[in-house]
Amino acid sequence: GQQVMQIPQYQHVQEGEDFTTYCNSSTTLSNIQWYKQRPGGHPVFLIQLVKSGEVKKQKRLTFQFGEAKKNSSLHITATQTTDVGTYFCAGRRPSGNKLVFGAGTILRVKS
Amino acid sequence: DTGVSQDPRHKITKRGQNVTFRCDPISEHNRLYWYRQTLGQGPEFLTYFQNEAQLEKSRLLSDRFSAERPKGSFSTLEIQRTEQGDSAMYLCASSKVAGGLPYEQYFGPGTRLTVT
Repeated sequence: GQQVMQIPQYQHVQEGEDFTTYCNSSTTLSNIQWYKQRPGGHPVFLIQLVKSGEVKKQKRLTFQFGEAKKNSSLHITATQTTDVGTYFCAGRRPSGNKLVFGAGTILRVKS
Repeated sequence: DTGVSQDPRHKITKRGQNVTFRCDPISEHNRLYWYRQTLGQGPEFLTYFQNEAQLEKSRLLSDRFSAERPKGSFSTLEIQRTEQGDSAMYLCASSKVAGGLPYEQYFGPGTRLTVT
C-alpha cells in the first residue's frame, strides 16, 4: 500500500537556526498537505501543494513539491520557540480520497 | 466556537466493554474523517463519509469498529469488545469538497481512549 516516510524523526535546534523536514512517498501523489501539531494539540493545516515543482512560502516557512510529485519538503528559516511541535506531511494518491500521513518530524527549539 | 468538536475528550474503559465517540463537524463541511493516532505516529486513516455515505474504510479496521453519519451531520464511532491495543487518540476531521477537489481538513481535539 501507499507509504509516506518522513525524515528526520526528531530535530533539536538553537533558536535562529534553520530547520528542514523531508517527506517521501512510495507512489506518485495528486497533492500533498502539511500539518503542524503542537504538544497536546491536534493537527492544524498549514498548506496544500498540487503542482509538480510547486514552491509556496508562508513568512519563514517554505514548502516544495518535487517534480515527480513523490517528495516534498518544509523549510523553516530562523526558527523561533513558537515553531516547536510535530510537522506532518500527508499525501493523497490520484485515485484515492484518503490522506496518508507520515510519522512526523518533532522540532524542539532551544532559546 | 464553530470548529470540529468531539465528545468525550477522555474515555477509560475495561477490556471487553463497548465505547462510542461522537464528532460534530463544521456545519458546512460535507466530508467527515476518522483517524487513530498513537504516540510518535501520524494520524492513521480509519474511514470517511461524504454526507451520510461511508465511502471508504481502512482494511486495517476490524469488524469491531463501526461508524455512522446518519443525517450527514454528526458522526459516531463505536468500538465493540475493546482491546488494550485500541488505546489511542481518536481524531475526527472535516472538510469541504468543491469541484471534486478536497480542501484542507480541520481536526477536532480528539478523544483519548485508554483500555485497562
